[in-house]
Amino acid sequence: DIQMTQSPSSVSASVGDTVTLTCRASQDISSSLAWYQQKPGKAPELLIYAATNLQSGVPSRFSGSGSGTDFTLTISSLQPEDFATYFCQQADSFPWTFGQGTKVEIK
Amino acid sequence: EVQLVESGGGLIQPGGSLRLSCAASGFTISSDYMGWVRQAPGKGLECVSVIYSGGNTYYADSVKGRFTISRDSSKNTLYLQMNSLRAEDTAVYFCARALYYFDYWGQGTLVFVSS
Repeated sequence: DIQMTQSPSSVSASVGDTVTLTCRASQDISSSLAWYQQKPGKAPELLIYAATNLQSGVPSRFSGSGSGTDFTLTISSLQPEDFATYFCQQADSFPWTFGQGTKVEIK
Repeated sequence: EVQLVESGGGLIQPGGSLRLSCAASGFTISSDYMGWVRQAPGKGLECVSVIYSGGNTYYADSVKGRFTISRDSSKNTLYLQMNSLRAEDTAVYFCARALYYFDYWGQGTLVFVSS
């Protein structure tokens, strides 16, 4: 199975900050990566697919980059509604696997 | 508007069975991949099963031989039959449309396996 490792596990930031979250795959997954946002008690929401593509309706302050094994999600000008947990997911091969998540907390 | 609504969760004893349902609207489930993703309390996400548009199925090793994914095209509903349930199956189960990435999710249904 492809292991997905996210770092950091949590980050504290203020409104207006730029935060960068990292996801590393245990093997080359090309660009087959998605990012999700999850708020407590809610289902995850797709933010980025195919590593760099913004899902329809997602604010442009979210951006994704990377390919191969190393990927990043950048949130520019953090908004109050962005405080949540973020997961990456690889779709290169079954089983599709998720990272353990990064919690973005209010400083 | 795409909507997914799960039902069928609840408290079940170890070794018991449950069938989860996911009623879809706004699209045709048999035209897309559909999946079940679970999240144990306070934990991450695990893709447990996917059914392809062609009908092929995939299962995580943790549920293989115990869970069965299926769909009823006439009802536009996805199912997950869960047998021989274990304490470690306790989780919120989400159904989701799975075009490689999960772009639409239901609200989830809680399965609690305990004696």
